[in-house]
Amino acid sequence: GAVVSQHPSRVICKSGTSVKIECRSLDFQATTMFWYRQFPKQSLMLMATSNEGSKATYEQGVEKDKFLINHASLTLSTLTVTSAHPEDSSFYICSARTGQGSNQPQHFGDGTRLSIL
Amino acid sequence: AQTVTQSQPEMSVQEAETVTLSCTYDTSESNYYLFWYKQPPSRQMILVIRQEAYKQQNATENRFSVNFQKAAKSFSLKISDSQLGDTAMYFCAFMKHGDNDMRFGAGTRLTVKP
Repeated sequence: GAVVSQHPSRVICKSGTSVKIECRSLDFQATTMFWYRQFPKQSLMLMATSNEGSKATYEQGVEKDKFLINHASLTLSTLTVTSAHPEDSSFYICSARTGQGSNQPQHFGDGTRLSIL
Repeated sequence: AQTVTQSQPEMSVQEAETVTLSCTYDTSESNYYLFWYKQPPSRQMILVIRQEAYKQQNATENRFSVNFQKAAKSFSLKISDSQLGDTAMYFCAFMKHGDNDMRFGAGTRLTVKP
């Protein structure tokens, strides 16, 4: 149980393109989803937290107009990297939490490798 | 702010041996959660073990166990009878009770050698 699917797994596109990444909880309802960014050989950095039906909460230093997050349903959150540039190339990982409360574990997706040429 | 430190960037262990990965953290909170996550080459983060700070008993999951020293703010992971499939990056993480923000350490790359 508690499977999180992330799509696509890999994206290669030209500079200036907008890219949408989907994160789905397949067998549970996720009231809260998280988006992380991971640079090579580094740890995960939380970008934003999204709660279903409300605006996402962004971490300091993360541009909300650059990284648009939508959490329209209890099973789907999307991250759109707008007008992507080479410096946006990274590994993006989503996670979802079942139920309310921080004592619930986060379940991670497989990640999306974004490469901007 | 909470910080998580993993002082061992890389470690290796022979198959069937035991290895301990270290993690220390800094917080002024008294109620929080600690986690060990595994990220194999396939990249999906997998929860290995979790510890609630209010519990004195160390968490155990099969071959994985932790040594939680609250006063020392230390949370090490012991892997017994290491298997080749244990080869992965291991991340220690901290989360304050009632919070959403999970703070990760820099990770330890573990290689299990045959």
